[in-house]
Amino acid sequence: EAGVAQSPRYKIIEKRQSVAFWCNPISGHATLYWYQQILGQGPKLLIQFQNNGVVDDSQLPKDRFSAERLKGVDSTLKIQPAKLEDSAVYLCASSSGTSGYEQYFGPGTRLTVT
Amino acid sequence: KQEVTQIPAALSVPEGENLVLNCSFTDSAIYNLQWFRQDPGKGLTSLLLIQSSQREQTSGRLNASLDKSSGRSTLYIAASQPGDSATYLCAVNDRGALTFGSGTRLQVQP
Repeated sequence: EAGVAQSPRYKIIEKRQSVAFWCNPISGHATLYWYQQILGQGPKLLIQFQNNGVVDDSQLPKDRFSAERLKGVDSTLKIQPAKLEDSAVYLCASSSGTSGYEQYFGPGTRLTVT
Repeated sequence: KQEVTQIPAALSVPEGENLVLNCSFTDSAIYNLQWFRQDPGKGLTSLLLIQSSQREQTSGRLNASLDKSSGRSTLYIAASQPGDSATYLCAVNDRGALTFGSGTRLQVQP
């Protein structure tokens, strides 16, 4: 069974530029999560989707971050404009249900904002 | 708001030692708790998942326990090896998404 796929793996941009990350969850998984992991910290939830609807985006900085999940499968996370403090690893995870189900993580995208 | 704390933040042990990593959480109304391993520059690898109704889970040299009422979990690693060197993260699931601790960075010396 293929795991969670993410691209790109690495991205370096200048502040005020825009960037987009892509995630393909495990086939059949209805729930998709985006987490942000700043160096030395544990991951923090940005947004949770159930199929193509948003379940929780309370910690998403909506003035600069946006996310969508087309047709309930792939998802993109965008940052526009980027700030220095957005430098982090962006992790995508998926699970077969919404509550109490095991989450499987992709390899992450390491973003450096200069 | 759920808060997860992991102690110690870093640990260095000689090869062969048995060791215990600690995790505590503030709200005991959880669905489950997961332990992850993260190698430098890599994603998260799930090690063990304990459902709220369970007391422990075992996989090879790893054993995780859960005391939901006291808000504590421990990850026991038997006969540590240099290949166990990584950061270990504890995460609780109480609302669908996971709330993570900051991790314990483990170094096993050959």
